[in-house]
Amino acid sequence: GAVVSQHPSRVICKSGTSVKIECRSLDFQATTMFWYRQFPKKSLMLMATSNEGSKATYEQGVEKDKFLINHASLTLSTLTVTSAHPEDSSFYICSASRGGGPKTEAFFGQGTRLTVV
Amino acid sequence: SQQGEEDPQALSIQEGENATMNCSYKTSINNLQWYRQNSGRGLVHLILIRSNEREKHSGRLRVTLDTSKKSSSLLITASRAADTASYFCAPSSGSARQLTFGSGTQLTVLP
Repeated sequence: GAVVSQHPSRVICKSGTSVKIECRSLDFQATTMFWYRQFPKKSLMLMATSNEGSKATYEQGVEKDKFLINHASLTLSTLTVTSAHPEDSSFYICSASRGGGPKTEAFFGQGTRLTVV
Repeated sequence: SQQGEEDPQALSIQEGENATMNCSYKTSINNLQWYRQNSGRGLVHLILIRSNEREKHSGRLRVTLDTSKKSSSLLITASRAADTASYFCAPSSGSARQLTFGSGTQLTVLP
């Protein structure tokens, strides 16, 4: 099956610094990738849709200046958490879909555990 | 996209028993997917059922879909301790490729 790789799997950073998380589709091209955030024992919350070659589409309540998304190629999207604060500590997951229409299947990265101290 | 709601929120069974979890959604769909998430890990795609299908099997997994009731169920037969995870459903309306998830069902299989 298709593989989506996310890196790093864990990161600890100091308050005020920025952290970049990468999401790569390894064996297919993804014009669209998605970024989710998950709190402990909670559902995944869609943060934004990353569009290759254009601006990301953010969900309501998600600060676009804080969570910078870049989708520079068909196989790579990055999420940068800028000026991180402890409340940004969370589990971040990306996904990418191969193809489209009713047979679309989404593949997820393994997630990134961000801890801001 | 629309959100699926899983039920029950938590389920605890003995190894070897069957586990059934349900998903309800609100509007018409083209397909519905089930995912599994081990603690602190990403989601793993389990199975996709299309709106014109009523039942689908994959190994020990059996998924049903009732579009008239806007509900789906996931049955795991002969459960194993390794099946312990959270299970999420994701209904999808055609070309919309973003998925939204409910809170999931936390399945615990006791050895």
